[in-house]
Formats: sequence, C-alpha cells, structure tokens
Amino acid sequence: GQNIDQPTEMTATEGAIVQINCTYQTSGFNGLFWYQQHAGEAPTFLSYNVLDGLEEKGRFSSFLSRSKGYSYLLLKELQMKDSASYLCAVKDSNYQLIWGAGTKLIIKP
Amino acid sequence: IAGITQAPTSQILAAGRRMTLRCTQDMRHNAMYWYRQDLGLGLRLIHYSNTAGTTGKGEVPDGYSVSRANTDDFPLTLASAVPSQTSVYFCASSDSDGGPGANVLTFGAGSRLTVL
Repeated sequence: GQNIDQPTEMTATEGAIVQINCTYQTSGFNGLFWYQQHAGEAPTFLSYNVLDGLEEKGRFSSFLSRSKGYSYLLLKELQMKDSASYLCAVKDSNYQLIWGAGTKLIIKP
Repeated sequence: IAGITQAPTSQILAAGRRMTLRCTQDMRHNAMYWYRQDLGLGLRLIHYSNTAGTTGKGEVPDGYSVSRANTDDFPLTLASAVPSQTSVYFCASSDSDGGPGANVLTFGAGSRLTVL
C-alpha cells in the first residue's frame, strides 16, 4: 500500500529552527508537496520538490531525497503565526496526490 | 477576489437525508477535486474532475456523487447521509491536465458536515 509518515505533533520556540520530516512509500513518484493549514482554515501551498536537493523560499526550505523516500520542511526564525499543521503529499504514478496526516506545530514564546 | 467558494460553511444533517455541497471557482482551472479531512487521517480524495464534462472516482467515493456541467461548478452530493460521513469537506482546483508537474491546489474554506 501507499504510505506517508509524518510526526503527529512538534513543539518549538519562537525564533528557533524546526525540521518536520516526511517519509513516503508510494507507487511511483511525480513530486512532493508541502502545504500549511492553520486551524479551521484551508490548506495553502508552501513548496514543491521533484528533484533531489534543497529548495529555499524565504524562511522556509524543503529538501528531497528520492532514493531514501524522504523529505523535510525546515522553518527558520519561527514566528507565532507559524503555529499550524504542515501537510506532506506525494504525487504517485497515477498523478494522484497521497497525503500524510499532517504535523501539528506548536510555537511557544 | 479570485478563489473557490464553498457552501454551506457548516451543516447538521439527519441520517438518511440528501445533501449537496456546492463549490464554485473563478480561476478557470481545468481540474477540481473533493476531499474529506478527518482527525488523524490525511486528506482523502472522494471524486475529481480533470475537465468539464468528465469525473473520476478517488480513494473514498462510496456514498458520494459529483457532476461537472461547466468549468466553474463542482457540486458534491450525498444521496443518503450516514454518520460516518461526518467530516470537513474541502473543494480544490488546479490548472492540472491530470498529468505530472507542479499543479498547485487551491482549496476552498471547507464545509463542516455533521450527520446525526
């Protein structure tokens, strides 16, 4: 079967750095996405990786290793507004998105 | 403001009743999707449409139906609601052609449905 694993919950301190991991086992691979979802709101797109390596976008970076079936989202200079769930999703061989359950990130002052 | 509009925002429904969740987008995206989100689970695809006039089944299609008469509208119907359909439903769209690529999803605000 297809599977996306992420930690259920993480806690970090304002101003610090946090890394949210995602491992996947899917039938084929056509890209990996990270979305942010604030409580009670819709998911919004953060990043897309299809080749190995690091993609940087401001305070957020996303890394992919296809050989290891692994990605991480790195958030720097954490702000209180970064408290949200972070969803990892992989596009499989049928071009369908397979979603992880999400990681709830709690930021403490 | 360009985006996706879902209605209703929330609804409490008696089991056995018929319910249609509405979804309209104004971005002229080809593809539209219906997902349900339940605590502890990832988003699960119910039905999708890669272009107007076509629809397809997702991971959890049973008990749901959709139609795509035009580009903008993609309603989701529960013919006879059951308590297990209690969930938050998200409509999404993208400029995808159903193939590979970074086809980013734009989501609606969600419809919270409770079936008693």
